[in-house]
Amino acid sequence: DIQMTQSPSTLSASVGDRVIITCRASQSSSRWLAWYQQKPGKAPKLLIYQASSLQDGVPSRFSGSGSGTEFTLTISSLQPDDFASYYCQQYHSHPYTFGEGTKLEIK
Amino acid sequence: QVRLEQSGPEVKKPGASVKVSCKTSGYTFTSYGVTWVRQAPGQGLEWMGWISPFNGDTKYVDKMKDRVTMSTDTSTSTAYLEVKSLTFDDTAVYFCARDARGDELLHWGQGTLVTVSS
Repeated sequence: DIQMTQSPSTLSASVGDRVIITCRASQSSSRWLAWYQQKPGKAPKLLIYQASSLQDGVPSRFSGSGSGTEFTLTISSLQPDDFASYYCQQYHSHPYTFGEGTKLEIK
Repeated sequence: QVRLEQSGPEVKKPGASVKVSCKTSGYTFTSYGVTWVRQAPGQGLEWMGWISPFNGDTKYVDKMKDRVTMSTDTSTSTAYLEVKSLTFDDTAVYFCARDARGDELLHWGQGTLVTVSS
């Protein structure tokens, strides 16, 4: 199984900050990597697919990059609505594992 | 529009089974796979498995494959997840989700809370 390691697990930031969340895979997942945002009590929301493609309707302040084993999610200028948890997921090989998550908190 | 509507909350005793449903609408059911993901209280997301409504193919996570059965009813466009021999560790919100263009998960159900309690 491919293990996904996210860092940091918690991130404190302010509105307007640029933040980067990292996801590392234990073996190559090529570019089969998605990022999701989840708010308390809600289902996850797809932000990025195939490592860097922005899902329709997602603000352009979100971007993804990377391939192989190293991936990043960048939020260029944090907005109040962005404080949530974020998860990466590889879908290169079954089981399609998730990272442990990053909780983005208001500083 | 695409919708995935899940069944309501369940409370079960240890050792019992639970069956959660996911009724879909707004698309051709047999054209996309359905994935099940669970989330224990305060924890992260756990991929449980996937089923193809087209041909019934399934993929399960190894740790649960002896206790989990995924199925579909194409006549009602509904997917099902059954978990047997429940333990306290199975207390979680269970989500169904639909594939997008690839295997990324674009459309999600609202989640079903399954509580295992004696």
